[in-house]
Amino acid sequence: EPEVTQTPSHQVTQMGQEVILRCVPISNHLYFYWYRQILGQKVEFLVSFYNNEISEKSEIFDDQFSVERPDGSNFTLKIRSTKLEDSAMYFCASRDPGGSGSPLHFGNGTRLTVT
Amino acid sequence: QKEVEQNSGPLSVPEGAIASLNCTYSDRGSQSFFWYRQYSGKSPELIMSIYSNGDKEDGRFTAQLNKASQYVSLLIRDSQPSDSATYLCAENTGTASKLTFGTGTRLQVTL
Repeated sequence: EPEVTQTPSHQVTQMGQEVILRCVPISNHLYFYWYRQILGQKVEFLVSFYNNEISEKSEIFDDQFSVERPDGSNFTLKIRSTKLEDSAMYFCASRDPGGSGSPLHFGNGTRLTVT
Repeated sequence: QKEVEQNSGPLSVPEGAIASLNCTYSDRGSQSFFWYRQYSGKSPELIMSIYSNGDKEDGRFTAQLNKASQYVSLLIRDSQPSDSATYLCAENTGTASKLTFGTGTRLQVTL
């Protein structure tokens, strides 16, 4: 069964450094998402991406965050200057073009630790 | 603010019993609802989706939706220790059809 893949599985970085989290969505999916989950808390929406542009973003997704689909397969989340509070699990998800009722398929996540 | 509310638990049920997980939502315009299972340290895994009022069954799982009461539930029959996880309720909302998640209910199935 096709799956969403994320790399790396764990990223440790120092405060103030830039990180790029990478995702390969399922190949025929057209809608892409980033979510994060701080330890012990709920899964929170960050941003959605469709047709090579951001379609919606949350208040968490401020100027230090950006997303890009640099080629036909990858979808990246960049955090420009990491803060301690960015430490979380980051999940990429994708959805097929079958309508708004189709579910999101999640990758295994990247655990980001900011020291 | 569109909210999805769940009791955080833990909900403890003995092996073989029925586990009942509940969720309420605030956006009357929401059309699609999803139940995901999340093991500790892992990603959410889709269990079921439901769009219409009534029940939807898939193996040991039954999802129930009542749009008038803004209520979604998940029943797990013949609960197994491997069902011990956090169950996330999510609604489909917004132009990009993002999912908004509840905080999840932690289920413990005891031997």
